[in-house]
Formats: sequence, structure tokens, C-alpha cells
Amino acid sequence: GAVVSQHPSWVICKSGTSVKIECRSLDFQATTMFWYRQFPKQSLMLMATSNEGSKATYEQGVEKDKFLINHASLTLSTLTVTSAHPEDSSFYICSASGGLAGGTDTQYFGPGTRLTVL
Amino acid sequence: KQEVTQIPAALSVPEGENLVLNCSFTDSAIYNLQWFRQDPGKGLTSLLLIQSSQREQTSGRLNASLDKSSGRSTLYIAASQPGDSATYLCAVRGSGGSNYKLTFGKGTLLTVNP
Repeated sequence: GAVVSQHPSWVICKSGTSVKIECRSLDFQATTMFWYRQFPKQSLMLMATSNEGSKATYEQGVEKDKFLINHASLTLSTLTVTSAHPEDSSFYICSASGGLAGGTDTQYFGPGTRLTVL
Repeated sequence: KQEVTQIPAALSVPEGENLVLNCSFTDSAIYNLQWFRQDPGKGLTSLLLIQSSQREQTSGRLNASLDKSSGRSTLYIAASQPGDSATYLCAVRGSGGSNYKLTFGKGTLLTVNP
């Protein structure tokens, strides 16, 4: 149980375009979803936390107008990278939890999405 | 601000060796600590989770210990196999309010040579 999927698994786009990444909890209701970014040989860095039906909470230094997060249902959250630039190229990983943000429920991680911006 | 450090950054061993990966964290006020495995270009697989009140957890050939007061954890892998080759990540979960966040280390890249 507790499976989280991401789509697409990889995407290549031109600079200036927008890219949407989906994160789905397949067999449980995800009250909270988290979006992380991982640069090569670096640790996962939390970008934002979202609760279903609410606005996302962004970490310091993450541009909310650039990284749009929507969590419209208990099984789906989307991350849209707007006007992507080469420096946005990274590995984006989502995780989902059945509990509230700030709670102690286990986070289940998706397989990640590799974004390359040309 | 919590910081997590993993040593070594990379490790190469022959098959069959026992090995230890190290993780240290700066703030001992943690809720739990978790070890993950990450294969190249893939997501995270949870290996072991140790609650702050526990000293160790075991799963098969893996044993993780936690010394919260000194801010350290070790992951012991017995009789290593080529299939163990991956990056191993340590993450600590804070305690209290918005501090229930996972802070990750940069990982240890393990290569087990046949």
C-alpha cells in the first residue's frame, strides 16, 4: 500500500515554457503533499507543503509565482514550473501523507520527475 | 536550523564486506530519523525509521542505530551485495509545530563491486 506516482517521469522543454508535473496518491487519501527539489549530488530540499483545498506554504527562497502548486483533490497535486529556465533543471520529487501538515504521519515518496530546460 | 551531514560522500567496497554509513545532525530535538535508498534517477525507498525514543532498528542485513543526544546515526550493512549499490540518504524529522519537516543529508554513494 501507500503508493505515490508522478507524471511525467522525465520532461525536456524549451526555456520560457511552462511545465506541469502531477503527483498522485494511488491507494490512500493524501491530506498533505510535499514537493522537493534535488540537484545533482545534493540533498532533497523541501520547496513547499500543500494541504488539500488550501494554498501551499512555500519554503524561504522558493518563488511562489514561479512554482505554482495546486492540491485540488485528496489524490492529486500538481506543480507547474512557469517560464522555465535552464537553472530550473532538476529532479523534482513529491511525497504524500495522510495526515495534516505539521503532523507526524509518514511521508510516502513518488519516483520523481527529471526536468531538463534547454 | 537543522543540518544533516553524511560521511563518507562515497564508498566503494568488495562484495561480502560489512560496512557502516554515518549520519550526524545538529539539532537533537528530533521526532524520528529515517534511512532511505535512492537508485540513480529514481525516487526514495524507505529502509528503516527510528523513533526518537528508540536506539536501533533492524531489517534483514540492515541495522540502524540512533544516539539522539550526540546527534548521530549509523547504518550498518552486513555482507554487502552488488545489488546494494545505491545512494543512501539520512533524513531527520523535527519535532513541534512547523518543525515536523524532513531534513535530508546529501547522501552516501555506495558501490559494491562483485
